[in-house]
Amino acid sequence: DTGVSQDPRHKITKRGQNVTFRCDPISEHNRLYWYRQTLGQGPEFLTYFQNEAQLEKSRLLSDRFSAERPKGSFSTLEIQRTEQGDSAMYLCASSLSTGTNTGELFFGEGSRLTVL
Amino acid sequence: AQSVTQPDIHITVSEGASLELRCNYSYGATPYLFWYVQSPGQGLQLLLKYFSGDTLVQGIKGFEAEFKRSQSSFNLRKPSVHWSDAAEYFCAVGDTGGFKTIFGAGTRLFVKA
Repeated sequence: DTGVSQDPRHKITKRGQNVTFRCDPISEHNRLYWYRQTLGQGPEFLTYFQNEAQLEKSRLLSDRFSAERPKGSFSTLEIQRTEQGDSAMYLCASSLSTGTNTGELFFGEGSRLTVL
Repeated sequence: AQSVTQPDIHITVSEGASLELRCNYSYGATPYLFWYVQSPGQGLQLLLKYFSGDTLVQGIKGFEAEFKRSQSSFNLRKPSVHWSDAAEYFCAVGDTGGFKTIFGAGTRLFVKA
């Protein structure tokens, strides 16, 4: 496994359309995270999964956003009724939770969303 | 709540000169601290991390950082910058479980010949 992969890398959509992003984590990693990054800012935490369980969601994640991780493998992030303010880079990261977990995140290259 | 402040939005250094990027954090307990680098078109990559022990930590690419609890700082240093170091650098703090890592706004490094 070469790392975290995200698809698509770029998505241009019209306001009001739905979009879905996919993330494939490093295979042995049990934790998966979604972050959002806008220009000139650091990544903002959106949500996190431990295996298939979604354990925390940020207040940034409105009802139009939903994330899943069926079977504890890949994850999808869906945005319904997109708005121009949703334009950002969506980053996925994974990590391995062990007794000595240091919280190191392995990031994918991101999915850039542009809402027209 | 955890927070991270990177006071410098951008820094320009000459190739071969030394570098120090500042980071201040806010966290109630002993933090896990990280520096990540993001090059254009690439994902964030971990440079180094601190969670206990020696307060001076070594990372990849010749970077080091020093944890100073009294100053709530975790500054990143490199003795001699290379043109390939031009990138965006993010300081981050995680809780002891590491499940929620909070990032600073980043410092963009420009390297001039």
